[in-house]
Amino acid sequence: QQQVKQSPQSLIVQKGGIPIINCAYENTAFDYFPWYQQFPGKGPALLIAIRPDVSEKKEGRFTISFNKSAKQFSLHIMDSQPGDSATYFCAASGGATNKLIFGTGTLLAVQP
Amino acid sequence: DTGVSQDPRHKITKRGQNVTFRCDPISEHNRLYWYRQTLGQGPEFLTYFQNEAQLEKSRLLSDRFSAERPKGSFSTLEIQRTEQGDSAMYLCASSLVLGETQYFGPGTRLLVL
Repeated sequence: QQQVKQSPQSLIVQKGGIPIINCAYENTAFDYFPWYQQFPGKGPALLIAIRPDVSEKKEGRFTISFNKSAKQFSLHIMDSQPGDSATYFCAASGGATNKLIFGTGTLLAVQP
Repeated sequence: DTGVSQDPRHKITKRGQNVTFRCDPISEHNRLYWYRQTLGQGPEFLTYFQNEAQLEKSRLLSDRFSAERPKGSFSTLEIQRTEQGDSAMYLCASSLVLGETQYFGPGTRLLVL
């Protein structure tokens, strides 16, 4: 029940394309859903986050779509650039400690 | 504000040796987390501090692992009698008490030979 399932494992798009990464969760106690971007050898960096009371949130080229009834959420990257090539992790948290439960990651390659 | 810092960035040790890592959170961040990340996987929660109190420990944190946060500032993570399975990236993150955003440090990459 603590798992967050993420797909696809890897993704290749052309520059300007819109990669979509999907995540699903089981624990209805989760109330915070962030996405992190990680480059090789670096720590994860927060991209965007959403709470279950909104169905969509947009920040720059990044959009989260959230479906509370399906317990699913997804990241869309508009007008993707080669610099967006990285590993993306979804996560979920809830409760007093707010510890993050991460998905397994998606390796994104944006080809020029 | 320079963000979360971790030291060392890399550590190579022989099986059976003890290692200690340090994390300096963003100043005034009361919450501090340790995670472990193995190759190709997402970070996994190890332990959580609120100020100096260690409030949660994962079952991943065997009795060979100990973490401290004296005076609620920096934190240390010690691994005793290291095993090859301990090889991983150890990440530290911090957040404000009432906030949810966790800011991660660059990590300490441990290799146990």
